Amino acid sequence: DAGVTQSPTHLIKTRGQQVTLRCSPISGHKSVSWYQQVLGQGPQFIFQYYEKEERGRGNFPDRFSARQFPNYSSELNVNALLLGDSALYLCASSWGGRDNEQFFGPGTRLTVL
Amino acid sequence: AQSVTQPDIHITVSEGASLELRCNYSYGATPYLFWYVQSPGQGLQLLLKYFSGDTLVQGIKGFEAEFKRSQSSFNLRKPSVHWSDAAEYFCAVGSGSARQLTFGSGTQLTVLP
Repeated sequence: DAGVTQSPTHLIKTRGQQVTLRCSPISGHKSVSWYQQVLGQGPQFIFQYYEKEERGRGNFPDRFSARQFPNYSSELNVNALLLGDSALYLCASSWGGRDNEQFFGPGTRLTVL
Repeated sequence: AQSVTQPDIHITVSEGASLELRCNYSYGATPYLFWYVQSPGQGLQLLLKYFSGDTLVQGIKGFEAEFKRSQSSFNLRKPSVHWSDAAEYFCAVGSGSARQLTFGSGTQLTVLP
């Protein structure tokens, strides 16, 4: 079975631009979470979606937004990019219940110049 | 708010030696605890998890961890390290109805031949 897939793998943008990152969860999983991992740090929670509804939001500015589609795939959008947004963006999927593990994708490496 | 501390930024061990990676957490309720491993260019792979019950948890690749409530710790151990274990290790606590993960800053493991 395919794991969590993310696209694109790498992305280079300039300050002020907008970016959209995509995630496809494991088949059957209904929950998708997004994390930002800055170089040298642990991942930080951005959003979680379950059944197309936002279930949780981390401490990120409104420039960050996300949505989940009927097929449970998800997009993360970041507007007005800053240099500090350069990071590895990780997507994780799970069944959605309380006691379940999150399976992570390989991530999208975003570089903002 | 919950937090996770991994006091060792970098650990070096010889192949075949034992390993212990430290993790301390801060969380008001009974925590859901996880250890993940990340190899270069890869996403996060779950090694083991603690939800409840037996405080000694067995995971994949010969790893185990012990939950000690009195010390707010969840240290990861392996009796004999293999060269393929070289990677970055993250401890995380799951909180909230969404089981949002809060990660530590990671411990980089180097294995000497």
